[in-house]
Amino acid sequence: DAKTTQPTSMDCAEGRAANLPCNHSTISGNEYVYWYRQIHSQGPQYIIHGLKNNETNEMASLIITEDRKSSTLILPHATLRDTAVYYCIVRFIQGAQKLVFGQGTRLTINP
Amino acid sequence: DAGVTQSPTHLIKTRGQQVTLRCSPKSGHDTVSWYQQALGQGPQFIFQYYEEEERQRGNFPDRFSGHQFPNYSSELNVNALLLGDSALYLCASNPRGRGEQYFGPGTRLTVT
Repeated sequence: DAKTTQPTSMDCAEGRAANLPCNHSTISGNEYVYWYRQIHSQGPQYIIHGLKNNETNEMASLIITEDRKSSTLILPHATLRDTAVYYCIVRFIQGAQKLVFGQGTRLTINP
Repeated sequence: DAGVTQSPTHLIKTRGQQVTLRCSPKSGHDTVSWYQQALGQGPQFIFQYYEEEERQRGNFPDRFSGHQFPNYSSELNVNALLLGDSALYLCASNPRGRGEQYFGPGTRLTVT
């Protein structure tokens, strides 16, 4: 699985869009980008995933660059409950399905 | 529809003891994975089960073993507990072939 690089921490004002970047320059053609988040002392929560097209669901949007070397998770209207550690993970969809977590980005939403 | 459930919530054990943690997957999911999360770190993959067999294993010693039952529920066993085994143990489930894993709330194990 390709390695990912994320900022250690970020801050965002409540009600604003939170944009979390992730670099995955060694991603291969059949690897997907997954995002999870973990609110303090809870299990990680699946947010969204994508291969090469931009994706949107009820929680967030995922923007993947055309060369697929980086992506951005967008929380359109951040609330205090979005304060969490956000993990960007690159993995194959077939075969072994383990998730390899890095250190993630600690996102703090400020009132 | 219940999500992934784990028991117990918290557990305190003494060095050298053995522990069993339990997990019930989300309805419709047949694959269960276990992760260990030390304080301040991301979760680390222990192993994965489907069709009642261990299919993949992370870099954990043989003291860590597991089991999956016909109803897809799973157990994680840790023998000869060490202080370093203190962590949050997470169970995740998914339907085979689907990449999105859904996590339970975890079991907080403290070894004294």
